[in-house]
Amino acid sequence: EIVLTQSPGTLSLSPGERATLSCRANQSVTNNYLAWYQHKPGQAPRLLIYGASGRATGIPDRFSGSGSGTDFTLTISRLEPEDFAVYSCQQYGSSPFTFGPGTKVDIK
Amino acid sequence: EVQLVQSGAEVKKPGESLRISCRGSGYTFNYYWIGWVRQMPGKGLEWMGIIYPDDSDTRYNPSFQGHVTISVDKSIRTVYIQWSSLKASDSAMYYCARHRASSFRDVFDFWGQGTMVTVSS
Repeated sequence: EIVLTQSPGTLSLSPGERATLSCRANQSVTNNYLAWYQHKPGQAPRLLIYGASGRATGIPDRFSGSGSGTDFTLTISRLEPEDFAVYSCQQYGSSPFTFGPGTKVDIK
Repeated sequence: EVQLVQSGAEVKKPGESLRISCRGSGYTFNYYWIGWVRQMPGKGLEWMGIIYPDDSDTRYNPSFQGHVTISVDKSIRTVYIQWSSLKASDSAMYYCARHRASSFRDVFDFWGQGTMVTVSS
């Protein structure tokens, strides 16, 4: 099973700032099949990024994904108030399709 | 509009059985994998397993295999997850979610609203 580690655990930033979130795998992710989801309390997760860098339908371009192999990054160029949430990565190259533990982005 | 609608919250005792459901609408139900994801209180998301409605091909996370069963009733466009003997540690929010395309290796693009399961004596 591929184990995903996310850092930092919590990121405290102000609106307008840039957020950089990391997701690392303990082995290479097949075909860079790495996704990012946003999760807010009381809501279902929302797909942001697939295939490491593809933006899902309706996702603003301030969200971008990058990386390959074992190291991946989600960048939010300028935080909007609605972006404060938990972000989880998921690899879907090797079953079971595991999730990372999440990074909480909260308001500084 | 694609929708996944899950059954309501459940409160059960240890040792009891349970089946929760997820009904899909607004798309060709048979041809998209649907999976189940667990979120325990204060914890991250856990991929439990997925099923392909057309042929009931089912894949489990080894961590959950043998403790849960995923099934489908195509006639009513509904996927289920069931437990034969619940434990307190099964208390969690459970989400169903649909794959973005018909591929096995794919992401979840539509999610149900979640079903809270509480197991307590």
